Amino acid sequence: QVQLQESGPGLLKPSETLSLTCTVSGVSASSGRYYWTWIRQPPGKGLEWIGYVYYGGSTNYNPSLKSRVTISLDTSKNQFSLKLNSVTAADTAVYYCATARMWSNSYYFDYWGQGILVTVSS
Amino acid sequence: SYILTQPPSVSLAPGQTARIACGGNKIGTKSVHWYQQKPGQAPVLVVYDDTDRPSGIPERFSGSNSGNTATLTISRVEAGDEADYYCQVWDRSSDPPYVFGTGTKVTVL
Repeated sequence: QVQLQESGPGLLKPSETLSLTCTVSGVSASSGRYYWTWIRQPPGKGLEWIGYVYYGGSTNYNPSLKSRVTISLDTSKNQFSLKLNSVTAADTAVYYCATARMWSNSYYFDYWGQGILVTVSS
Repeated sequence: SYILTQPPSVSLAPGQTARIACGGNKIGTKSVHWYQQKPGQAPVLVVYDDTDRPSGIPERFSGSNSGNTATLTISRVEAGDEADYYCQVWDRSSDPPYVFGTGTKVTVL
C-alpha cells in the first residue's frame, strides 16, 4: 500500500519560496511505475496540476507555473519535493502530493497525500 | 489547453440516481477518470479509464463516455456520497496535459 505524506511550512510571506516535501512509503521512489506529482487546490476552488518528476529525473510542469516551479526526487530518502518561487496570495492553497499512473494510454492519480495548507500572507 | 466543464451542483434524495456530466471536445476519444472529495479530505479515485472501479469502490459507482460528454453515475445515493466530484483526462496534445473538470457538488437531501 503506497502512502504519501506532505510536510513543510504552512505560512509564507509574499515573495518567499514555498518548499514542500512528500515522503513516500510502501514503494520505492526509484520505481518507474509512478510519476511523482504535485497538485494544488485553492480554498473553495478546484484542482490544479502543478507538475511531476519521474524516476530518471525528467520533469513536466504546468505552463502557468513553469517559470517558478521545480520538482525534484531524492531516492535515497524516498522523497520528492516541490519548490515554488516568488509566491503571492494567489498561491495560497492545499498542496497535495500524488502518484500518477499510466493506464491504457492515459494517466490517473491513484494515491494522494492528505494535503497541506500553505497560506501566503504578509 | 483542454477544458472540462461540469455542472456546479446536483441535489437529490437518498435512493435516487445521480448523474454527473463532464463535457469536453471529443471527450469520447479520451480516457476519463473520476474523483470523490469529501470536505477536508484528499480526493479519492472512484472510476478510471471511463468505466473501471478501483478495488474497494462500490458497484453503485459507474461511468460512461461518448461523444462530447462523460458521465459518472451513482446509483442508490446514500448520505455518505455527499461530496465534490471531479473528472480528469490526460491529453497529450494539451498543455498542461493533465486536466481536471470544474467539479460538481453532490448534495443528498
